Amino acid sequence: NAGVTQTPKFQVLKTGQSMTLQCAQDMNHEYMSWYRQDPGMGLRLIHYSVGAGITDQGEVPNGYNVSRSTTEDFPLRLLSAAPSQTSVYFCASSYLGRGNEKLFFGSGTQLSVL
Amino acid sequence: QQQVKQSPQSLIVQKGGISIINCAYENTAFDYFPWYQQFPGKGPALLIAIRPDVSEKKEGRFTISFNKSAKQFSLHIMDSQPGDSATYFCAASMGTDKLIFGTGTRLQVFP
Repeated sequence: NAGVTQTPKFQVLKTGQSMTLQCAQDMNHEYMSWYRQDPGMGLRLIHYSVGAGITDQGEVPNGYNVSRSTTEDFPLRLLSAAPSQTSVYFCASSYLGRGNEKLFFGSGTQLSVL
Repeated sequence: QQQVKQSPQSLIVQKGGISIINCAYENTAFDYFPWYQQFPGKGPALLIAIRPDVSEKKEGRFTISFNKSAKQFSLHIMDSQPGDSATYFCAASMGTDKLIFGTGTRLQVFP
C-alpha cells in the first residue's frame, strides 16, 4: 500500500518550459488536490478534484492545469514555467474531500525555475 | 486575507521542555481544527484534531487547547524530544469546505 506517490522528487526548469508533475494514489480516494508550499505562506491549494472528470480551482490556480481521467491519477501541468512557480508541490488525497477528513500527502516535488 | 494566523514562525526548545504553538482564526463557523506535522523532505501528516465542543484533547505528549471565545487554539508538546523537530501546521475548516492552513511553525528541539 504505497499511499500517495509523487514524481519527480526534484526538477529544475528554465523559464518558459513546460512540465507535468505526476501524482498517483492507491487508496481509492475520490478527492485529490495539489498544494504549493512556500516559506511564510503555508500550504496553498492550487487545484482539486472530487472524482474522475471533475476538477476545480483552488486559491492559486493561475499558471497551472489539471485533469482527472482516472480515480488514481491527478497530474499537475505547468504550461510555461515562471520563477514565481519555484516551490515545493504536494499532492494530497482523501476519501470524499470533506474539510473534516484526514488528508494524505505525498512526499513532494521540489521545483526550481531559473 | 489570512483566515488562520499561526505563531511563532520558528521555535527552539530544549529537550524535555514544553513547546507551544498558537493559532487564531476569524471565522466563527469553523468547526474542525487539525494539526499537521511535517518532517524534512516529507509531506505533512495529520497529528491531532479537535472540534469546538471540547476545550482540550490529548494524545500522548500532544495536547490541543481550544478557546472558543477567544477564537484561538494551540498545540502543546510536553517533554519535547529531538524527534519532534519538524514543521507544524494548524488548520481549520467549516462543514465540508476545504481546509485552510496556517503558515507553519518550524520547531527545533535541542538535546
